[in-house]
Amino acid sequence: DAMVIQNPRYQVTQFGKPVTLSCSQTLNHNVMYWYQQKSSQAPKLLFHYYDKDFNNEADTPDNFQSRRPNTSFCFLDIRSPGLGDAAMYLCATSRVPGLGTDTQYFGPGTRLTVL
Amino acid sequence: AQSVTQLGSHVSVSEGALVLLRCNYSSSVPPYLFWYVQYPNQGLQLLLKYTSAATLVKGINGFEAEFKKSETSFHLTKPSAHMSDAAEYFCASLSGSARQLTFGSGTQLTVLP
Repeated sequence: DAMVIQNPRYQVTQFGKPVTLSCSQTLNHNVMYWYQQKSSQAPKLLFHYYDKDFNNEADTPDNFQSRRPNTSFCFLDIRSPGLGDAAMYLCATSRVPGLGTDTQYFGPGTRLTVL
Repeated sequence: AQSVTQLGSHVSVSEGALVLLRCNYSSSVPPYLFWYVQYPNQGLQLLLKYTSAATLVKGINGFEAEFKKSETSFHLTKPSAHMSDAAEYFCASLSGSARQLTFGSGTQLTVLP
């Protein structure tokens, strides 16, 4: 089945130690998104790629970076995680951004713990 | 600017009872609207979406939602709650010019035996 895969599902890192979260998709979608979701809150968009075009949200901290080496994979890099970065990180994909007939498909998420 | 408001952060219903989760949107143009469900430690799963083709939208797991322009609402309903429906539900909107979803704050549904 076509899907969005996130690895690992659970990640523990130390304060200030760089960490990378991975997302892959078999849907061949043009767009890949990264969301941060803190406990009991709605997902918050960090950035997205439309093909190779990177789009950063204005309020996304510089500590968060992303890479998309090919259509299938997208990575979220947190350069120096702080305690406030502990959250669920959700990857999503869509075929074309912004069209109402399109849909975002979400992966299962990676829960990040910062010690 | 578009926004989505979910009334009631927590809703409890008895098993077999009607489920009603409320969502109101604010948009200058008719939006595209979505309901997602999130189970603990899982990603978001699409329940249904409104794209102006029909005002009554049927989704998965017996859920449906009705778009009411006069009330700017898109409430989610299910005639008979099941224990497996216990989860967090998010309403979201997508305008034609935007590249992102705008989520409501979510409603936690509890189903009582």
